[in-house]
Amino acid sequence: NAGVTQTPKFQVLKTGQSMTLQCAQDMNHNSMYWYRQDPGMGLRLIYYSASEGTTDKGEVPNGYNVSRLNKREFSLRLESAAPSQTSVYFCASIAGGVTGNQPQHFGDGTRLSIL
Amino acid sequence: DAKTTQPPSMDCAEGRAANLPCNHSTISGNEYVYWYRQIHSQGPQYIIHGLKNNETNEMASLIITEDRKSSTLILPHATLRDTAVYYCIVRSLGTGKLIFGQGTTLQVKP
Repeated sequence: NAGVTQTPKFQVLKTGQSMTLQCAQDMNHNSMYWYRQDPGMGLRLIYYSASEGTTDKGEVPNGYNVSRLNKREFSLRLESAAPSQTSVYFCASIAGGVTGNQPQHFGDGTRLSIL
Repeated sequence: DAKTTQPPSMDCAEGRAANLPCNHSTISGNEYVYWYRQIHSQGPQYIIHGLKNNETNEMASLIITEDRKSSTLILPHATLRDTAVYYCIVRSLGTGKLIFGQGTTLQVKP
């Protein structure tokens, strides 16, 4: 049981390059989330998708776009990468709906450096 | 969104119980308290959650005060592998969002 799988695990980009971070879950979960974590900080929500076909902004959405491709996959795109987006990115998913009380399951993260 | 307050760091002797406190005075009546931990820079690991009753699972116990304004996570027999950052989170109603603070860094010492 893989759970939440994120690819790639590491990436280095140059300023201005674009990139898509992939996330897939095999638990048939309805809702999916993208967070970023800067050094010494807690996670901050970028975007989330309550169900297939819907997406909503979180705390720090600027500079990012997302696509809920199907129930399994939720991708995060940086159109023009900036050094301020250097961070560790975590994807999470949750069973049931967003109003339930099931815990979120997290992937192992993508470590992104932008030079 | 309800905020949580945790001490930035704590130490615990190996084999002893680790008691991690959390204040969440603005919690709403039907919001759950969740605890996660993060070891090194791995993805956060779910530990336990509760609404108003005390909860126990194979990892930990969660004690929530009667007024629900604070809670304590108890690791009954801490091991070196329990060294991590522990996050107490009140989950946002309607969106399921988790609002992370800076957590408590628990150092388990031999």
